[in-house]
Amino acid sequence: AQSVAQPEDQVNVAEGNPLTVKCTYSVSGNPYLFWYVQYPNRGLQFLLKYITGDNLVKGSYGFEAEFNKSQTSFHLKKPSALVSDSALYFCAVRSYSGAGSYQLTFGKGTKLSVIP
Amino acid sequence: GAVVSQHPSWVICKSGTSVKIECRSLDFQATTMFWYRQFPKQSLMLMATSNEGSKATYEQGVEKDKFLINHASLTLSTLTVTSAHPEDSSFYICSARDRESSYNSPLHFGNGTRLTVT
Repeated sequence: AQSVAQPEDQVNVAEGNPLTVKCTYSVSGNPYLFWYVQYPNRGLQFLLKYITGDNLVKGSYGFEAEFNKSQTSFHLKKPSALVSDSALYFCAVRSYSGAGSYQLTFGKGTKLSVIP
Repeated sequence: GAVVSQHPSWVICKSGTSVKIECRSLDFQATTMFWYRQFPKQSLMLMATSNEGSKATYEQGVEKDKFLINHASLTLSTLTVTSAHPEDSSFYICSARDRESSYNSPLHFGNGTRLTVT
């Protein structure tokens, strides 16, 4: 079964510093990986995805993620954190749910707090 | 960009009553919609997958008679929590896949519905 793991429940970073939110995956076959962000009492917003190609993927709001096949990781990064980046971040993997249908399997989420 | 409208945003109901939550794709057609449940400080748990014009596929452990899902058109799916109880209180989120996009495309999410059963 496809799965992702987010080892950190919470990440704290000072404003202006680089941030990293970790994600590792376990899949059979080629991985299709996504990052989403959730603000309080809101749905999820898509940040970026890796399907194939360059290992460094650039996404919305200055975020990027690096796909590392040997380490089975897909960490989310940003060079300089903003207070407004404080939110809940989810890593997800596309998984096949049968009958030609695909779904997303989410990690447990990592709460990012950017300290002014 | 693609917009998914979920209504209502908040609902408080009495135990034993039923609540309907709507999920609409506003500017695209969605053959597939997903319903998730999210507990405080936890991840999203997929409840069911609904395909337009057919019965929903429920995940293991989700009571299909309690969580009724209808996907009657390409732009609307509804989740009805029947005979709600306090333990059904949660944050429910829908997402939709644009029928014109591939399976690698991101899903579009609604803003969620906070259900409180008293």
